[in-house]
Amino acid sequence: EPEVTQTPSHQVTQMGQEVILRCVPISNHLYFYWYRQILGQKVEFLVSFYNNEISEKSEIFDDQFSVERPDGSNFTLKIRSTKLEDSAMYFCASSTTSGSYNEQFFGPGTRLTVL
Amino acid sequence: AQKVTQAQTEISVVEKEDVTLDCVYETRDTTYYLFWYKQPPSGELVFLIRRNSFDEQNEISGRYSWNFQKSTSSFNFTITASQVVDSAVYFCALRGYQKVTFGTGTKLQVIP
Repeated sequence: EPEVTQTPSHQVTQMGQEVILRCVPISNHLYFYWYRQILGQKVEFLVSFYNNEISEKSEIFDDQFSVERPDGSNFTLKIRSTKLEDSAMYFCASSTTSGSYNEQFFGPGTRLTVL
Repeated sequence: AQKVTQAQTEISVVEKEDVTLDCVYETRDTTYYLFWYKQPPSGELVFLIRRNSFDEQNEISGRYSWNFQKSTSSFNFTITASQVVDSAVYFCALRGYQKVTFGTGTKLQVIP
């Protein structure tokens, strides 16, 4: 069964460093998403991406964040200058189309630790 | 705006007891999907059930059952004869047009 994959599973970085989290969505999916879960809290929407453009973003997704689909398979989330409060689990998701009837498939997550 | 409320932050039950997790949602969309996810200590989100807004038929699947009531905007989840492996955080979620909105989660501890 096709699945969303994410690398690395755990990333440790120093405050102020740039990190890139990588996701490989399901191959025929066209919509891509990033979510964040601070330890012990709920999963929060960050951004959705379609046709090489951001289609929606939350107030969390500020100028420190960017997303990119550099090739036909990867979908990346870049944090330019990490802060301690960026420590969280980051989930990538993908779906065939937008619309509430289309399920988003979640990856296993990348745990980011900022020291 | 969408909102999902899970009023129970933590529940403890003894193994083999039944347990119901509550979920109440708010949305202006006429078409939406509701989900339950399980998050074990390892951190991944495990999909359990999806229900669309037009299907209020409740369902039983093994030890899991769901009670969707549109009139009260509730989507409750019951585990029958709980087991230690059911210990996890359970999230109720609402899928609108673009994004999924999650509740704050209910931590379930099943005591042997």
